[in-house]
Amino acid sequence: AQSVTQLGSHVSVSEGALVLLRCNYSSSVPPYLFWYVQYPNQGLQLLLKYTSAATLVKGINGFEAEFKKSETSFHLTKPSAHMSDAAEYFCAVRVGGYQKVTFGTGTKLQVIP
Amino acid sequence: NAGVMQNPRHLVRRRGQEARLRCSPMKGHSHVYWYRQLPEEGLKFMVYLQKENIIDESGMPKERFSAEFPKEGPSILRIQQVVRGDSAAYFCASSPGQEGTEAFFGQGTRLTVV
Repeated sequence: AQSVTQLGSHVSVSEGALVLLRCNYSSSVPPYLFWYVQYPNQGLQLLLKYTSAATLVKGINGFEAEFKKSETSFHLTKPSAHMSDAAEYFCAVRVGGYQKVTFGTGTKLQVIP
Repeated sequence: NAGVMQNPRHLVRRRGQEARLRCSPMKGHSHVYWYRQLPEEGLKFMVYLQKENIIDESGMPKERFSAEFPKEGPSILRIQQVVRGDSAAYFCASSPGQEGTEAFFGQGTRLTVV
């Protein structure tokens, strides 16, 4: 069965500092991996996705993530945090042609001025 | 191209009533998924449907919950005899179904049971 684990339910960073949100996956077959962002009382918006084309994936709003098979990780990073990045971030996995997407429990990012 | 449309955005029901949540997928999308988000928790998969078929309902509670995606019209998530524990945000997502494609989410329906 596929699953993702997000380390840290809450992360605080100073404005301008590096953002690092951790995600580890478990899958018996090559996975598709996604990061979504959710602002308060909103739906989920796709930040980026990994579909095996390239291990370093660039997304919207300056975010990127690197797929590391040896570490079964797909951590999300941004070089410099902005106040508008404060939101909840979800890592998600899907395997093969199967359509069900499994989400992690989410990480709330707080950006301190 | 409109996104995934969910309505209503907010729904208040008394205990014992029925809640009916609607989801219209994006144009060209034939796959619909429902997720539930409880306060301070992540998204839990409920059910995956294609037109007129339930593909995977492994996340649906065995009683009171049902879902459909008819040939015409939106997908419906129905909760009968609601209880306080059903209070949550319910999100619908759709995708075109091809391998590697992502799901697009609606804004959600926030159900409050009083």
